[in-house]
Amino acid sequence: SAVISQKPSRDICQRGTSLTIQCQVDSQVTMMFWYRQQPGQSLTLIATANQGSEATYESGFVIDKFPISRPNLTFSTLTVSNMSPEDSSIYLCSVEDQGIRGEAFFGQGTRLTVV
Amino acid sequence: QKEVEQDPGPLSVPEGAIVSLNCTYSNSAFQYFMWYRQYSRKGPELLMYTYSSGNKEDGRFTAQVDKSSKYISLFIRDSQPSDSATYLCAPKVNRDDKIIFGKGTRLHILP
Repeated sequence: SAVISQKPSRDICQRGTSLTIQCQVDSQVTMMFWYRQQPGQSLTLIATANQGSEATYESGFVIDKFPISRPNLTFSTLTVSNMSPEDSSIYLCSVEDQGIRGEAFFGQGTRLTVV
Repeated sequence: QKEVEQDPGPLSVPEGAIVSLNCTYSNSAFQYFMWYRQYSRKGPELLMYTYSSGNKEDGRFTAQVDKSSKYISLFIRDSQPSDSATYLCAPKVNRDDKIIFGKGTRLHILP
């Protein structure tokens, strides 16, 4: 298993500003994942972050809006840029088990409200 | 058609009842089927994991997969108030593939 710490746990931000969310894992992992969970919606994968390379973004998500850093094997950040109320959501960091199951472990999430 | 369909609820049942949570899916290539439980203000955590069709039991929880009808179920016996959470079905094709999450069903167990 993996223990994931995410900061901040919640924030209220003004539209037009940016917020950087930090994710720390207690073990070294190759890939880290960032998800968005909007009210009443499923978890949606934003991007996959590999150490030493650019993140891979899913359809509908772009680097300019959600820049990601992955400076080492235990840490990643997701920035939500130029925020609007539509960005109000829960953002979750995740890693996957290296064993046969490939199960996902999640941080507690960052609850973002944009006003 | 969405890849995974799940009734969002909320579903309220009395303590001690048997709960049935269900998902349907459209991608016949799914082979790995997971159920995640998410408590309020927490990240999801893996509850059950099944490979291919069949049943899997773990304590009060039973996961059932019927690939012929593309139907996934989670049964909770002797439900407890502590089972109150959102349950997300989450299939994927291969071990290294992206997990596709359902919207989740909010479950309330009434004391």
